[in-house]
Amino acid sequence: AQKVTQAQTEISVVEKEDVTLDCVYETRDTTYYLFWYKQPPSGELVFLIRRNSFDEQNEISGRYSWNFQKSTSSFNFTITASQVVDSAVYFCALGTSYDKVIFGPGTSLSVIP
Amino acid sequence: EADIYQTPRYLVIGTGKKITLECSQTMGHDKMYWYQQDPGMELHLIHYSYGVNSTEKGDLSSESTVSRIRTEHFPLTLESARPSHTSQYLCATRQGLNEAFFGQGTRLTVV
Repeated sequence: AQKVTQAQTEISVVEKEDVTLDCVYETRDTTYYLFWYKQPPSGELVFLIRRNSFDEQNEISGRYSWNFQKSTSSFNFTITASQVVDSAVYFCALGTSYDKVIFGPGTSLSVIP
Repeated sequence: EADIYQTPRYLVIGTGKKITLECSQTMGHDKMYWYQQDPGMELHLIHYSYGVNSTEKGDLSSESTVSRIRTEHFPLTLESARPSHTSQYLCATRQGLNEAFFGQGTRLTVV
């Protein structure tokens, strides 16, 4: 079965705090891709990052960083020094050999000024 | 990056009407998807296509139907709209196993 779990439904932080969004996935495939998307209040889905199952290197892009650990089936997302513009719903997603892209339930992040 | 166009952006329609939500792309991506999403909530896959003349039902049962006669078009049709169909419908494309790119969505309200 393919499944993505985001246990945190809602998170509130004060501006400039660091915040980590958790993502745990399930798949029996050996080849798969993981993604993070941002959905601001305007509603469009913005692609943030892709990671394939053979690449466990962590990645940093500005204030964003991602930690992929196959041993725990996790692909967590950290925002450093959060800003009000980071307020959005963040989705973790799994792409498998069956060609579906399955999304987690999302984590709503509110950054309070 | 894919260019994906969804029309209309907003639609308010009466119960029992037939509607077609349009989705078109200009990048020639082989895979296309329709997701249904209530505001801020989970995305549910309702239809997908691997290519021309291929369509599959997604994980969430839907009364809608789709067609893929041309690579660039993936319209979704509801024969008889009901208030329970009120939602946002998101179209996406994907090339190979890469990330999916999304259109801006159609917000459907059935009154």
